[in-house]
Amino acid sequence: DSGVTQTPKHLITATGQRVTLRCSPRSGDLSVYWYQQSLDQGLQFLIQYYNGEERAKGNILERFSAQQFPDLHSELNLSSLELGDSALYFCASSVTGTLIPGELFFGSGTQLSVL
Amino acid sequence: AQKVTQAQTEISVVEKEDVTLDCVYETRDTTYYLFWYKQPPSGELVFLIRRNSFDEQNEISGRYSWNFQKSTSSFNFTITASQVVDSAVYFCALTSTDKLIFGTGTRLQVFP
Repeated sequence: DSGVTQTPKHLITATGQRVTLRCSPRSGDLSVYWYQQSLDQGLQFLIQYYNGEERAKGNILERFSAQQFPDLHSELNLSSLELGDSALYFCASSVTGTLIPGELFFGSGTQLSVL
Repeated sequence: AQKVTQAQTEISVVEKEDVTLDCVYETRDTTYYLFWYKQPPSGELVFLIRRNSFDEQNEISGRYSWNFQKSTSSFNFTITASQVVDSAVYFCALTSTDKLIFGTGTRLQVFP
């Protein structure tokens, strides 16, 4: 158990809908990262928050947004969902704002299916 | 730009065979970290090892060993005497500061 909690584990929804994925980092970790894993794109970095502020952005679509709350949990909001958004979404946390010398601890992911 | 290449898409071995998973990386940074993660069928990503760019010592942990060679930009992973429980997708990853760049993964199937 990595200590990173993601909910829900599975989510099934329809095209055009909006969903929210939730992540609670390990106790003491200030950074939260979101990754998307799909069959065609592999593991893609979406966005990072550090202590409530956006720190780095990757291949995140404009339809997607995220935030980190004062208690350090994070939410990833996906809107106007398309079939291609079906993927496994991982949250990871680390102590510091950079990955050196820290390491990422991953949650077990949220499997999103858009029908 | 940073890039991680895992040329082996899938490897199948029989239990007790040794197997090496290749990882080649590209970066212009002088300070960087390399990682290996395991993703078993259950789906979670499990951290295996981190190595920084200044430490080229090979590492052994039980049946696992890692060979880091800066001269060839490679960070290969060997499983000795493979077991069925080693069946998983293995990812090599690279970071210099803010984001972890993953390779496409190698699916290892170990048959009894």
